[in-house]
Amino acid sequence: AQSVTQLDSQVPVFEEAPVELRCNYSSSVSVYLFWYVQYPNQGLQLLLKYLSGSTLVKGINGFEAEFNKSQTSFHLRKPSVHISDTAEYFCAVSGQRGSYIPTFGRGTSLIVHP
Amino acid sequence: DAGVIQSPRHEVTEMGQEVTLRCKPISGHNSLFWYRQTMMRGLELLIYFNNNVPIDDSGMPEDRFSAKMPNASFSTLKIQPSEPRDSAVYFCASSSRGNSPLHFGNGTRLTVT
Repeated sequence: AQSVTQLDSQVPVFEEAPVELRCNYSSSVSVYLFWYVQYPNQGLQLLLKYLSGSTLVKGINGFEAEFNKSQTSFHLRKPSVHISDTAEYFCAVSGQRGSYIPTFGRGTSLIVHP
Repeated sequence: DAGVIQSPRHEVTEMGQEVTLRCKPISGHNSLFWYRQTMMRGLELLIYFNNNVPIDDSGMPEDRFSAKMPNASFSTLKIQPSEPRDSAVYFCASSSRGNSPLHFGNGTRLTVT
């Protein structure tokens, strides 16, 4: 079994500032990691994923995340945010063995102010 | 590809009525998931199908909820009878294999009065 903790429920930031959204996980097996974004009245869309290889993963819209196995973290970063990045962000983890059913965090609301 | 298609987008019904939510997964995807999203509980997995077979339904709240997948291109989630506490956004998602990301539909917003 696995679990995901998104440490911040809401992150306010000014436009063009950098942002980091934090995600920690726990699992008894090796994991795959994902970040999804949800815009109002829409479903979740994949931002980026870590399956194996390089621990620094680049995704869409200028986002990137770093897998840190020792700290069991997968924090999401963007060096300069736009108003259009205002959305809900979800971290998810699935085990590399078994049913691969992903477990989602509670989400972090990123609010970008002009 | 049209993506995952859910219908209806909005459903308003009275307590006690039967509600049926529908989902068409992406062609070729063999895994299908039903999730429920609320402010209080976040995103909850209700049921997971693989190759049309229910694999994990431990998230189905109670016997009032049932889900079927009669073929690879269609699934339904039924609530009978519905209650106000069932009000939520229900998402269907599909994926192609174990480590593939999920593709979500735009959800059905259910309001039970």
